[in-house]
Amino acid sequence: GAVVSQHPSWVICKSGTSVKIECRSLDFQATTMFWYRQFPKQSLMLMATSNEGSKATYEQGVEKDKFLINHASLTLSTLTVTSAHPEDSSFYICSAPLVAGELFFGEGSRLTVL
Amino acid sequence: DAKTTQPPSMDCAEGRAANLPCNHSTISGNEYVYWYRQIHSQGPQYIIHGLKNNETNEMASLIITEDRKSSTLILPHATLRDTAVYYCIVRVAGGNQGGKLIFGQGTELSVKP
Repeated sequence: GAVVSQHPSWVICKSGTSVKIECRSLDFQATTMFWYRQFPKQSLMLMATSNEGSKATYEQGVEKDKFLINHASLTLSTLTVTSAHPEDSSFYICSAPLVAGELFFGEGSRLTVL
Repeated sequence: DAKTTQPPSMDCAEGRAANLPCNHSTISGNEYVYWYRQIHSQGPQYIIHGLKNNETNEMASLIITEDRKSSTLILPHATLRDTAVYYCIVRVAGGNQGGKLIFGQGTELSVKP
């Protein structure tokens, strides 16, 4: 079946550094991918829509300069958390639609900023 | 996309059917009902979706009322591995949104031995 893979699955970094998370569609092409963030005991919050070959679309309240999204190919989108701070510690999840009916999710990437 | 209302938590005995309700009273005619679940510290997993007819697959059944204002996800024989947060979402399939899902708070289902 369709698989969406994220890397790394977990990362610890120092405050002020940047962290890149990759999202790959392994056996299908995705012109669109979605990035979510989830804090403990909370639901998933949509951050942005990643579009292959064009700029990402950010949800209201999400800083585009803080969370850089690049959709370089039909199978890869990256999320870079720039100048990370402890409040950016969260579970980041990407997803990609296979067909109009289903949206597949990656395993998630847990970021801890010290 | 229309909002949904789900009970925050439910318990179910192992081996029994788990019936998870969802209200979506403002659903539009072209909006589908989707169900996903999230096991702790994992990405959400697709379960089932439907428009107006009842649907069944190897994981679950989806019962949608005739007026489409509510639905029920049924796990026919719940196991301990079905313990998860279950999300009911309504959205237009495809289109310009291309698969965007807006998650509510979901129902935390605890399957107990």
